[in-house]
Amino acid sequence: NAGVTQTPKFQVLKTGQSMTLQCAQDMNHEYMSWYRQDPGMGLRLIHYSVGAGITDQGEVPNGYNVSRSTTEDFPLRLLSAAPSQTSVYFCASSQTPYRDGNTIYFGEGSWLTVV
Amino acid sequence: QQQVKQSPQSLIVQKGGISIINCAYENTAFDYFPWYQQFPGKGPALLIAIRPDVSEKKEGRFTISFNKSAKQFSLHIMDSQPGDSATYFCAADQTGANNLFFGTGTRLTVIP
Repeated sequence: NAGVTQTPKFQVLKTGQSMTLQCAQDMNHEYMSWYRQDPGMGLRLIHYSVGAGITDQGEVPNGYNVSRSTTEDFPLRLLSAAPSQTSVYFCASSQTPYRDGNTIYFGEGSWLTVV
Repeated sequence: QQQVKQSPQSLIVQKGGISIINCAYENTAFDYFPWYQQFPGKGPALLIAIRPDVSEKKEGRFTISFNKSAKQFSLHIMDSQPGDSATYFCAADQTGANNLFFGTGTRLTVIP
């Protein structure tokens, strides 16, 4: 019963480097999303997807790309890492709509430091 | 601009006491208000949620109180236990928006 799996758990990047945070879910959920969590800011939505081939921007999308080629996977790409992208990243998934009994399940987080 | 304002930032409660966390919002289109619990090193997990057509929802020791006219909602944890020590986030969104707006979090410590 894996749920939402994120890799890597920890990563240190140099400014300007690119990387991909991986996210996979095994619950056949249509809705997937990426949040970042910063001290004193709560969680903020970066990008989301309501199904394979469909993605859209959230509250803080700049500097990030996503794609959804399969129902299971929703990778988050940092194109050119900046220190401002130092954060904890959470992937989440749910049946749609994610309310009225459909819980959003979060992964355990990916700690990213950009130096 | 924070869509959902949460207070207090931190809270210390004695075991057996009542923990109260408050949230306020401005967007009257919000129609779904969940609370999430997060333990260190883990992702948030849904605790309880409410729609604005009811003023209160209770699940075990956890109760959401909702005041639509004041645009405020709060989480009450009755008989608080050390195992409740965690960070709690309120959130809100509106139908079709697919964007859950979170509060800034409250770090609850329950002292034995």
